[in-house]
Amino acid sequence: GESVGLHLPTLSVQEGDNSIINCAYSNSASDYFIWYKQESGKGPQFIIDIRSNMDKRQGQRVTVLLNKTVKHLSLQIAATQPGDSAVYFCAEFVTGGGNKLTFGTGTQLKVEL
Amino acid sequence: KAGVTQTPRYLIKTRGQQVTLSCSPISGHRSVSWYQQTPGQGLQFLFEYFSETQRNKGNFPGRFSGRQFSNSRSEMNVSTLELGDSALYLCASSSTGGVAGEQYFGPGTRLTVT
Repeated sequence: GESVGLHLPTLSVQEGDNSIINCAYSNSASDYFIWYKQESGKGPQFIIDIRSNMDKRQGQRVTVLLNKTVKHLSLQIAATQPGDSAVYFCAEFVTGGGNKLTFGTGTQLKVEL
Repeated sequence: KAGVTQTPRYLIKTRGQQVTLSCSPISGHRSVSWYQQTPGQGLQFLFEYFSETQRNKGNFPGRFSGRQFSNSRSEMNVSTLELGDSALYLCASSSTGGVAGEQYFGPGTRLTVT
């Protein structure tokens, strides 16, 4: 069945270091993968997405890598800042299936000063 | 433009009661999806409405229902509340008709069932 899971529940990094958050998925039919950031008391906020026909996409300070061979994606945050502290979710999406997102369990990113 | 709004933000109900939550999408968005977020199960898809029609449904019992109005505002209802229904209920709106795009989430309604 469909499942999206994250490898690490908590990630602690020093301010200024790079962060890498990993995610595994199992639905080969997923054609979009999306990363969300959720701060305390708020709803998830879109960070970046990637189509299944791509293996890398860059945004502002963030890069998403997709490895379809092993069904794995990662979110890299460069020069992590205290404001990056949040829970990060990966989600998968199947085009034509309506706006249904299947979320992973989430990784808590803690930025230490 | 204004973001997704959800009302109420917090709610306390007793087992057996029913509850109605409301979501107002971003102006112009026709798709509204609902999610349940709990520490144990994470974010789980409840259902999606597009142009007043339910287009997708997750694996939740029939106690969970929803509807969408002509102005795209949506409500979800939970009948015969159980303790396990305590959760953060999030709605998300999107302008797209089933093609991947950014979904904008509201702040959620925190439901506590006692």
